[in-house]
Amino acid sequence: AQSVSQHNHHVILSEAASLELGCNYSYGGTVNLFWYVQYPGQHLQLLLKYFSGDPLVKGIKGFEAEFIKSKFSFNLRKPSVQWSDTAEYFCAVNALTGTYKYIFGTGTRLKVLA
Amino acid sequence: NAGVTQTPKFQVLKTGQSMTLQCAQDMNHNSMYWYRQDPGMGLRLIYYSASEGTTDKGEVPNGYNVSRLNKREFSLRLESAAPSQTSVYFCASSERTDYGYTFGSGTRLTVV
Repeated sequence: AQSVSQHNHHVILSEAASLELGCNYSYGGTVNLFWYVQYPGQHLQLLLKYFSGDPLVKGIKGFEAEFIKSKFSFNLRKPSVQWSDTAEYFCAVNALTGTYKYIFGTGTRLKVLA
Repeated sequence: NAGVTQTPKFQVLKTGQSMTLQCAQDMNHNSMYWYRQDPGMGLRLIYYSASEGTTDKGEVPNGYNVSRLNKREFSLRLESAAPSQTSVYFCASSERTDYGYTFGSGTRLTVV
């Protein structure tokens, strides 16, 4: 069965540190890939998405993600985090199988220290 | 631009009571979803509606029913609430099932 793994459950960084959150999925076919962010007490918001083309995608608030097909990965990055980036981050994968297969990872809780 | 609107925001039920969570979107999206979010478990799909007139089970449908009332509205019903259904419920919509989602602000449900 398809699955999405976010290996880092909790990450603590100081402001201005660089961020990389891992996301790996298990599906050999075509996929659409997403990162969502959930700020404390709020709902999920789409950060960025990859459908096809340039594997390096840029999203809102300075985030970017790189799709590496050979590694089944879609890691989220930000060169310099801010206190306001404190949130939970979810990777999601939609396997284009003809049936519905949109799976969320369990999330990575990021805390940025001022 | 309301996006996805969920009501109520908070609810406390006694075991065995029933209730309906309402969701409406104004983006003319075809697909709508109900998720529950529990600590350490991420989001789990309860039911979805790929298009008006269709509904399908997700990962955790037991104890729930849904109605896609029209293109805008997708409700979730708990017929006999159980403590295991204590959770935060999110409704979402998308233009298609393989696109990014727009989420509502959530309903925090406690069953005692």
